[in-house]
Amino acid sequence: DSGVTQTPKHLITATGQRVTLRCSPRSGDLSVYWYQQSLDQGLQFLIQYYNGEERAKGNILERFSAQQFPDLHSELNLSSLELGDSALYFCASNPFPEGPYEQYFGPGTRLTVT
Amino acid sequence: SQELEQSPQSLIVQEGKNLTINCTSSKTLYGLYWYKQKYGEGLIFLMMLQKGGEEKSHEKITAKLDEKKQQSSLHITASQPSHAGIYLCGADGNSGAGSYQLTFGKGTKLSVIP
Repeated sequence: DSGVTQTPKHLITATGQRVTLRCSPRSGDLSVYWYQQSLDQGLQFLIQYYNGEERAKGNILERFSAQQFPDLHSELNLSSLELGDSALYFCASNPFPEGPYEQYFGPGTRLTVT
Repeated sequence: SQELEQSPQSLIVQEGKNLTINCTSSKTLYGLYWYKQKYGEGLIFLMMLQKGGEEKSHEKITAKLDEKKQQSSLHITASQPSHAGIYLCGADGNSGAGSYQLTFGKGTKLSVIP
């Protein structure tokens, strides 16, 4: 158990809908990272927050957004969902704004768009 | 952008056999991370390597970063069914200090036959 929690574990929704994925980092960790894992693209970095502020952006679509709250939990919002958005979404956390330092991953949220 | 190529893509070994997984980077590696993933689950951090020539071991798993810092290998000695899973290498997305996100290889799927 990494200490990172994610909810929900599974999510099934229809195209065009909007969903919110939640992540609670390990106690004391200020950085939260979001990743998307799909069969064709592999594991890809989406976005990082550090202590409430956006720190780095990767291959995140404009339909996706994220935020980190004062209690340090983070939410990833996915809107106008398409079939191709079906994937495993992971969040990871660590104490620092930059590397090199290992990231601790949550169990993931499996999103299925029908 | 940095790309990581892992080989082989999949591996089936008899229990008790040794095996090696390779990770080759398109750029100099400043932080190389090895993770293990059970199918559909979160990533478990194994080891982090930073310095050229560095070698780390944990139980029967040894990882090494070559001197030129563009390749890493993961070696498992006397494999067991518990070693089965997907092994992913990850690297800091930017060079030098100030890097934030991890870029991952596509993974190596390891099956261990009892």
